[in-house]
Amino acid sequence: ETGVTQSPTHLIKTRGQQVTLRCSSQSGHNTVSWYQQALGQGPQFIFQYYREEENGRGNFPPRFSGLQFPNYSSELNVNALELDDSALYLCASSLNPGQGNGELFFGEGSRLTVL
Amino acid sequence: AQSVTQLGSHVSVSEGALVLLRCNYSSSVPPYLFWYVQYPNQGLQLLLKYTSAATLVKGINGFEAEFKKSETSFHLTKPSAHMSDAAEYFCAVSDSASGYQKVTFGIGTKLQVIP
Repeated sequence: ETGVTQSPTHLIKTRGQQVTLRCSSQSGHNTVSWYQQALGQGPQFIFQYYREEENGRGNFPPRFSGLQFPNYSSELNVNALELDDSALYLCASSLNPGQGNGELFFGEGSRLTVL
Repeated sequence: AQSVTQLGSHVSVSEGALVLLRCNYSSSVPPYLFWYVQYPNQGLQLLLKYTSAATLVKGINGFEAEFKKSETSFHLTKPSAHMSDAAEYFCAVSDSASGYQKVTFGIGTKLQVIP
């Protein structure tokens, strides 16, 4: 069984640039969620993708966008980077998105630093 | 709206002592509750979850948590702390009211185990 993998693990960008983070979901999982974890904080829900559609979104501006592909892998794109976007970005895969009781399987995250 | 409050951002215990990490939740519908653990530079791993079955939930590594509806609490305990338990612990709540799995995390409690 292949777990959730994320790339890149670390990256540095400057203000105003754009970034793309990638995630491969655990084998058999059809749902991917993205979270932002700022230093010293808990993960904050960005959005969730199910069957290649965004089916839920947290309190993040439109410059945070995503995609899910037919193989259930996913991308998180952030445009016009701001200093406050510096954080660990976590991808989590799961089953049964509508039931709320499923376990999230997390990758190790992509640490983004914006200078 | 669902939310989680974790009391104590840092907890220190001696090796062999009782571990008690506190979590209170707020949810407009019957909740699903989770405890996740995060080791340095890693993603989150599920310790245990409550999904309306038994109120006392046993998890991995000797941890357990008790769901108390009257107190809206879901505290995490372990009878005897081990050095390997040093990590950050996140309480989380989810429900199916939104039609997708939005998991809301607490701010986290960093557990230090003193030899």
